[in-house]
Order: sequence, then structure tokens, then C-alpha cells
Amino acid sequence: GAGVSQSPSNKVTEKGKDVELRCDPISGHTALYWYRQSLGQGLEFLIYFQGNSAPDKSGLPSDRFSAERTGGSVSTLTIQRTQQEDSAVYLCASEGRVSNEQFFGPGTRLTVL
Amino acid sequence: GQQVMQIPQYQHVQEGEDFTTYCNSSTTLSNIQWYKQRPGGHPVFLIQLVKSGEVKKQKRLTFQFGEAKKNSSLHITATQTTDVGTYFCAGEAAGANSKLTFGKGITLSVRP
Repeated sequence: GAGVSQSPSNKVTEKGKDVELRCDPISGHTALYWYRQSLGQGLEFLIYFQGNSAPDKSGLPSDRFSAERTGGSVSTLTIQRTQQEDSAVYLCASEGRVSNEQFFGPGTRLTVL
Repeated sequence: GQQVMQIPQYQHVQEGEDFTTYCNSSTTLSNIQWYKQRPGGHPVFLIQLVKSGEVKKQKRLTFQFGEAKKNSSLHITATQTTDVGTYFCAGEAAGANSKLTFGKGITLSVRP
């Protein structure tokens, strides 16, 4: 497809379990962002990948959160030992070289019971 | 670090009224972008402003970039119920690999 895709669309997990969220950016886009959005709130920046540069991890809320971007394409956000406060929509966005407009995926709604 | 501020967080208007909201950055920006998120949806790009003092229009929406490139405004003329949603501004500082920083957004509700 032409857009950013994310999977799963919904994830329900139990407190203490690990989860992996996947983002497939638009082909050729060099920059990729992860955000978290709680209900009715703004976008909380988590992590930023730009080409081969070291990722900007300054937004990760704790060491339970990590992300990888393999081959400059697909990215995985991993949350270990999930807590109830991790419940939110996790959004991924990719950005092209020419225009730095961000294209958002539909998000993964994470619910931690 | 760079901060982008949008105040207030919520605004309610009567259909047909005009609406203006502002975005302020703690640092000078190379460009500023605006996004709209409809209820239940994800943010969608509206526009990018690059030049000092730049003004761009999209139908009833007017976007302006401040002369100092540290603030921006969005004005909606004669609001309609289709304008409902959250409007985010996002600024990018100058420099290679600088990331886009989003404001917290303003959620607009329109009374029919």
C-alpha cells in the first residue's frame, strides 16, 4: 500500500507481559517517529530514527521501552513488563526526504489489563 | 530543548463564528506545519510554512508564519461542523536531522 501501516490495530495484554508493535513506513522514507497518545491528549514523542544516524530516544518514558528500525525500513516498538499506564494509542509516522511532511499510520490501541 | 506551545487546549464556537488559534515556539524554526486529527482518526498534514511572514490559504483556513519564525496562527472563517477536531502545530528547528516537535494541540468543537 501507499501509506504507513501499523500492526496490530488493537492489542489487549495483561500487566507484566511484553508487547511488540510494528510500523511499516512509506517506502523510501528516511525518517520514522513513534508517538504515544492517551485518550483526549496530545502527541507524546517517543523516539525518532533518521537514516543511519543514531536514534533520538529522548522521549522514551522508561527503560521498559525500546525500538528498532531494521534495514532503514520496518520499525518495532517493544514495551517490556507492561503497566496499566502504558495503555494508549501508539502512532508511527514516516517522513520523506523532499518534503518533511509526516504521514501517520492508523495507530495501535494498546490496553493493559 | 525545543518547546512548541498551544494554548488553550480546548475551544468551543458556534457554527458560523470565526476561530483563531496560535502556536508559539521557544526557538526559531526553519518551518512550521499544521495537522488535523478528526475524532477517532490519526493526524493528517494540512500545510507547511517556511518563509518569514508567509501566509497560505486553504478554502476557509488561513495559516500564517510569524516574522521572527517563532510563532504561527490558524484562522478558520465561518466555522462548520466539519471543522471539528484537534489541530496540532509542529515546528522544526534549523539544522540537519532536527526532529519535528508537536504542540499539545487545540480541540475545536462547533455547536450547530
